Amino acid sequence: DVKVTQSSRYLVKRTGEKVFLECVQDMDHENMFWYRQDPGLGLRLIYFSYDVKMKEKGDIPEGYSVSREKKERFSLILESASTNQTSMYLCASSLPGQMNTEAFFGQGTRLTVV
Amino acid sequence: GQNIDQPTEMTATEGAIVQINCTYQTSGFNGLFWYQQHAGEAPTFLSYNVLDGLEEKGRFSSFLSRSKGYSYLLLKELQMKDSASYLCAVYQAGTALIFGKGTTLSVSS
Repeated sequence: DVKVTQSSRYLVKRTGEKVFLECVQDMDHENMFWYRQDPGLGLRLIYFSYDVKMKEKGDIPEGYSVSREKKERFSLILESASTNQTSMYLCASSLPGQMNTEAFFGQGTRLTVV
Repeated sequence: GQNIDQPTEMTATEGAIVQINCTYQTSGFNGLFWYQQHAGEAPTFLSYNVLDGLEEKGRFSSFLSRSKGYSYLLLKELQMKDSASYLCAVYQAGTALIFGKGTTLSVSS
């Protein structure tokens, strides 16, 4: 059974803290993605990666960075957490290629910045 | 630029048929996906269209017209468990899955 695992289901952090959100997939997928989901705004793409050590900005990368040191792991980093980064964060992975690349999602991390 | 539009909310009754529309304007197109997301859970894959026409999968069908930038998800014989958000997403060339804001469907008895 395919699996995308996010390290935490719920997190509470203080403003200004450095926050790491971890995502691991066991499907040997090349592609990995980070989205945030907010009411009324849907899923918005933060960063994605097509290969180890490779990263591309999505639609809302400001305030975030990512790390992909190993194929199975894609980390999202909030350098200095702010209250407007309170959100549900979803990680996903998929096979490479341009056709029928279904994305599998993790269960999400609900981050609250206080 | 990119724009994916779908209705915010829809309601229907058990046993009915509902059609959720999605229109898109994207630079490059490599397929359209529909996902289902129950409250508090991760999105799960429902269907994929890359060529024009209808794809049927049990009670769920999805249609695509690339020339019109239009898709719909058709749900038949609605059940209470179909109450969820339905997400339309477009796979753009050279990038990633881009999602619409989702349609929340409420099924009542």
